Amino acid sequence: LAKTTQPISMDSYEGQEVNITCSHNNIATNDYITWYQQFPSQGPRFIIQGYKTKVTNEVASLFIPADRKSSTLSLPRVSLSDTAVYYCLVGVSNYQLIWGAGTKLIIKP
Amino acid sequence: GAGVSQSPSNKVTEKGKDVELRCDPISGHTALYWYRQSLGQGLEFLIYFQGNSAPDKSGLPSDRFSAERTGGSVSTLTIQRTQQEDSAVYLCASSFVSRGLNTEAFFGQGTRLTVV
Repeated sequence: LAKTTQPISMDSYEGQEVNITCSHNNIATNDYITWYQQFPSQGPRFIIQGYKTKVTNEVASLFIPADRKSSTLSLPRVSLSDTAVYYCLVGVSNYQLIWGAGTKLIIKP
Repeated sequence: GAGVSQSPSNKVTEKGKDVELRCDPISGHTALYWYRQSLGQGLEFLIYFQGNSAPDKSGLPSDRFSAERTGGSVSTLTIQRTQQEDSAVYLCASSFVSRGLNTEAFFGQGTRLTVV
């Protein structure tokens, strides 16, 4: 089961683009990369998922290099409401995902 | 319902008592997951249901923990003889399963269990 490494915390300011990078050196061929967001006192919420190259949705973009040993979640023009913990997960099946402590993102005005 | 519903939202119990936590998944979701989250930590996997069967119970921390799912819908997580170390937020999630691949998991708000 692949494990991930991501920064414990990050700060940024409203209106900036935020990039959170995750390392997953042991990613397997069939593994997908998934990011979740969690606000205090709430369950995690799915943000984006990808296998290779670039994926974009209305919330974020996910950049995955050719070797797939890392990935970068990009949040464009963040606001105060983006303050949350962001989890990077790698695996095939949801029940096999290993949840680390995530990255605590703090957005300042 | 529109989302995953968990009850109760908060539970305070005395050490040694049994507790039951309930999860009502999104209608039609065949997969259901239970997790535990301690303060400031990531999620700890407990058990996974596909329909009414539990292919993976490997995360249950001890034989005091058990879970069942009936009718491919509602699930209950039971903790017997609760201990203080059981205090945590218990999260339930559900999803479709497509050939075993990850699909978006939808989480409930969790049950905050405090054992005193």
